[in-house]
Amino acid sequence: QSALTQPASVSGSPGQSITISCTGTSSDVGTYNLVSWYQQHPGKAPKLIIYEGSRRPAGVSDRFSGSKSGNTASLTISGLQTEDEADYYCCSYVHNVVFGGGTKLTVL
Amino acid sequence: QITLKESGPTLVKPTQTLTLTCSFSHFSLTTNGMGVGWIRQPPGKALEWLALIYWDEDKRYSPSLRSRLTITKDTSKNQVVLRMTNMDPVDTATFYCARIYSSSSSQYGLDFWGQGTTVTVSS
Repeated sequence: QSALTQPASVSGSPGQSITISCTGTSSDVGTYNLVSWYQQHPGKAPKLIIYEGSRRPAGVSDRFSGSKSGNTASLTISGLQTEDEADYYCCSYVHNVVFGGGTKLTVL
Repeated sequence: QITLKESGPTLVKPTQTLTLTCSFSHFSLTTNGMGVGWIRQPPGKALEWLALIYWDEDKRYSPSLRSRLTITKDTSKNQVVLRMTNMDPVDTATFYCARIYSSSSSQYGLDFWGQGTTVTVSS
């Protein structure tokens, strides 16, 4: 199972929306909705923000949303805030677990 | 609330075996659908999944590291132990343990994480 592919970096201004893509294969992302997304601030542990492709755990802002098209999952953050600046990782958890390479979000 | 905490040596020598313990509370590894996994993150790099163990003793390993890893659980102590053999300086990383949970209606993925423990491999 190969690592999922994410852009290295994205940026946006406060109030804007950004989307981070996560490309897998028909063996993982394309067939199953078992994609999760994690937010990681520097020096902190990752935090689950999306599971099953589009569901949010309790307490996670509805500014975070997930979707999928074909073999690519996406995380959209709307109404960007400065505290959203962090690294974001997608993850497929079909049979084993595989992470994407991470995307650094800069809020300008 | 659900917590997980990693413990183990902060420094190991090359070729040694690393043993890490994940101690958790407010959930049980005897519950159907429950699991605990290990993930590492080298300095400045991405997350890398290592191993998982489920309530039913099902064990999964990263294909690239399978030969070096052993994961076990002690349900009476609420602990999961990871052993990683033949440590090398490139294995220097922060190691996290995390809960993975699937209920009858949802598969949550790695929903709760420990704070991580940093391991340096150096002679």
